[in-house]
Amino acid sequence: DAKTTQPPSMDCAEGRAANLPCNHSTISGNEYVYWYRQIHSQGPQYIIHGLKNNETNEMASLIITEDRKSSTLILPHATLRDTAVYYCIVRVTLTGTASKLTFGTGTRLQVTL
Amino acid sequence: DVKVTQSSRYLVKRTGEKVFLECVQDMDHENMFWYRQDPGLGLRLIYFSYDVKMKEKGDIPEGYSVSREKKERFSLILESASTNQTSMYLCASKGTGGTREQYFGPGTRLTVT
Repeated sequence: DAKTTQPPSMDCAEGRAANLPCNHSTISGNEYVYWYRQIHSQGPQYIIHGLKNNETNEMASLIITEDRKSSTLILPHATLRDTAVYYCIVRVTLTGTASKLTFGTGTRLQVTL
Repeated sequence: DVKVTQSSRYLVKRTGEKVFLECVQDMDHENMFWYRQDPGLGLRLIYFSYDVKMKEKGDIPEGYSVSREKKERFSLILESASTNQTSMYLCASKGTGGTREQYFGPGTRLTVT
């Protein structure tokens, strides 16, 4: 899996958009970008994934640059409940034990009043 | 709403005890995983199962075994608990297909004294 680089921490005011960047300059053509988050003392939660095109779901939007070397996860209206560690993962589609998830250190997002 | 449940959120056991951690998913997923999560080490795969009665070792299977008698249930067994097995244990499930996301349970924080 390609290596990712994320800032260790970010702050965001409640109600504002939270933009979480991820660099993956060594990404290869068949690797997807996945985002998960983990709220303190809970299991990780899937947010979104994409290959080339921008993606949006009920939780967030994923913007992938044209060269695919970086991406941004956008939480459009952050709330206190969005305070969590956010993990960006780059991987090919895999099955079996190879489909295991490997988290880096992630970005600790603190949403404040 | 999809659900992965784990039998206990917190568990305290003594060294040498046999410990059972249960995981149940209601999504009819073929694939189920057991991870442990430790500070600074991220997620590490213990065991994986891709079908009833089928299992594969992950990265750190030593000291653990698993059982999958029914599709919805995947059990992790610590044969003789040791203090270095004090950790957060996370169960996850995933449908068939390489890009499918993993759904995690809330985790069991096990302390072995």
